Formats: sequence, structure tokens, C-alpha cells
Amino acid sequence: RKEVEQDPGPFNVPEGATVAFNCTYSNSASQSFFWYRQDCRKEPKLLMSVYSSGNEDGRFTAQLNRASQYISLLIRDSKLSDSATYLCVVNRDDKIIFGKGTRLHILP
Amino acid sequence: NAGVTQTPKFRVLKTGQSMTLLCAQDMNHEYMYWYRQDPGMGLRLIHYSVGEGTTAKGEVPDGYNVSRLKKQNFLLGLESAAPSQTSVYFCASSYLTYEQYFGPGTRLTVT
Repeated sequence: RKEVEQDPGPFNVPEGATVAFNCTYSNSASQSFFWYRQDCRKEPKLLMSVYSSGNEDGRFTAQLNRASQYISLLIRDSKLSDSATYLCVVNRDDKIIFGKGTRLHILP
Repeated sequence: NAGVTQTPKFRVLKTGQSMTLLCAQDMNHEYMYWYRQDPGMGLRLIHYSVGEGTTAKGEVPDGYNVSRLKKQNFLLGLESAAPSQTSVYFCASSYLTYEQYFGPGTRLTVT
């Protein structure tokens, strides 16, 4: 089993809809969690960190479920500009593990 | 404040040629990384460094060497390029294992 797993998608979602991604991790000793966004032919950039209590940044909400070992990202009122690949990242000690990403296409 | 820069942006090599990719960061980060990204494979860690003068192997280190002689620079070398090394190479840096800042990438084609 891979240490970090994501549904590769693509998720094709109409503009204005709500979309949610999950990411599962296998090592219970994982310490910190992030969502990155990567646009086509660009470098990944941090979207948000994921805290145990859950956190929100505008239309984006991230949650962590340590018992079930997954993190989630919810995007509300999706925009065309949200089309990208979303990468889940898990840190453990000095190790940083990237998921393969979930592709999101927002349809006009 | 340029963040993370990579040179060159594009390169085409013939099989067996060598080259060095340069990564520079101006954020005083201790940690630096080299990744490759291939379609369907996600980001894979080649080598990383947790400080000046230190390097360590990542997930796919074979065929690559690295050096971190200065804190701000991390070099990735290909001694004898192979077509399997055709990829997009990203460098990143971070303060410990917090947010990683990525460079714009180098697109390498080996023919």
C-alpha cells in the first residue's frame, strides 16, 4: 500500500458546485499535513496546511481525521480558476511524501 | 527576493552526455530537495539536503548526484544521461519540513 494515496480523477465539476477530495495515509506516525495546488506546466504551490481542528480559508476547508488516517479538502462555490491538480502532502520526521494528485476540471 | 530559481529552464541532451542543474534559494532555508515529475507518477524525490555539506538519497537516486557546497545552492548532476531521465525536474526548499517553495522547473529531454 502506498504511503499517501489520492483518487487521480479527473473530477469534472460545473462552476459553482461544491467538490471534495480525500487523501489517505498509511503511517499513523505522520505529523503534519498539507494541500498543494499545481497548475498545468507549473510548479506546486502551498494551498493550505491542515490542522487537527480543521481550518478554513475562504472557499476552501481542510480537515484531518487521525483515527481513520485521511485528510480532506472541500471547495465551495467552485470557480473556473480552481481547475488544477491538488496534491496531498504528509510529513513524518524528515520525510515529506507527496500524493500523485487529483485533477480537477471546473466546467463553465 | 527571487525565492527559488532553477537554471536552465529547458535542455535537450543526447544519450551519454552530462549536465548539471542549478538550484538557488534566497530564503536562508536549511532544507533543499530535487524532484522529478513524470506523467502519472507524481513527484518523486531524487535527493535532498538538510544543510550545507550534507546530502541524502531519496526515492529515485540512481543516475544522479548532488552537491550542497553553499547553503543557498543545490546542484543536481547527470553524469551519463539516459532517455529514462527525460522529465521535468523541480527543486524546492523549506524551513525544516514546513512549507516547501518550488522553483519553476527544468524540462529535460534526452534523445
